[in-house]
Amino acid sequence: GAGVSQSPSNKVTEKGKDVELRCDPISGHTALYWYRQSLGQGLEFLIYFQGNSAPDKSGLPSDRFSAERTGGSVSTLTIQRTQQEDSAVYLCASSFRGLVNTEAFFGQGTRLTVV
Amino acid sequence: TQLLEQSPQFLSIQEGENLTVYCNSSSVFSSLQWYRQEPGEGPVLLVTVVTGGEVKKLKRLTFQFGDARKDSSLHITAAQPGDTGLYLCAGANNDMRFGAGTRLTVKP
Repeated sequence: GAGVSQSPSNKVTEKGKDVELRCDPISGHTALYWYRQSLGQGLEFLIYFQGNSAPDKSGLPSDRFSAERTGGSVSTLTIQRTQQEDSAVYLCASSFRGLVNTEAFFGQGTRLTVV
Repeated sequence: TQLLEQSPQFLSIQEGENLTVYCNSSSVFSSLQWYRQEPGEGPVLLVTVVTGGEVKKLKRLTFQFGDARKDSSLHITAAQPGDTGLYLCAGANNDMRFGAGTRLTVKP
């Protein structure tokens, strides 16, 4: 497809389980972003990749959260030992090279529900 | 604490009214973008402003970047129900940080 693809679109998991969220960016986009959006709220920055490296991981809420990107393409966001407060929509965006004057394209998100 | 503060948080108006929403920060940005998000979708870019004092118009929407490149405003003229949505500003330097958004409802 031509857009940013995220999977799964919905995930319900039990508290304490690990989950993996996947993001396929637009081909050729070097920058990739993960955000979290709670119901009715704005976007909370989690992490940013330029190529395979993450210059800024300060947005990750706790050490239960980790993310990687391989081959400058697909990224996975892993949440270990999920908690109910992790329930949110996780959005991924990609853009071509840097951000000045370039558009970030968003996927439709993964809605995570921890029960 | 949000890096970018947006106000108002919620706005409900009648069709045909004008409105302005604001995005403020203590940080200087290389560029500032406005996005609009509809339920169940990811945000979609409306405009990018780069130069301090820059004004861009997109039909009934007017965007302004502050002279110091720390703040921005979005003005909508003669709002329509189709303008309903969450309006997000995003400041860009090495990465991109979003405000909490203004949730606009335009009633017919």
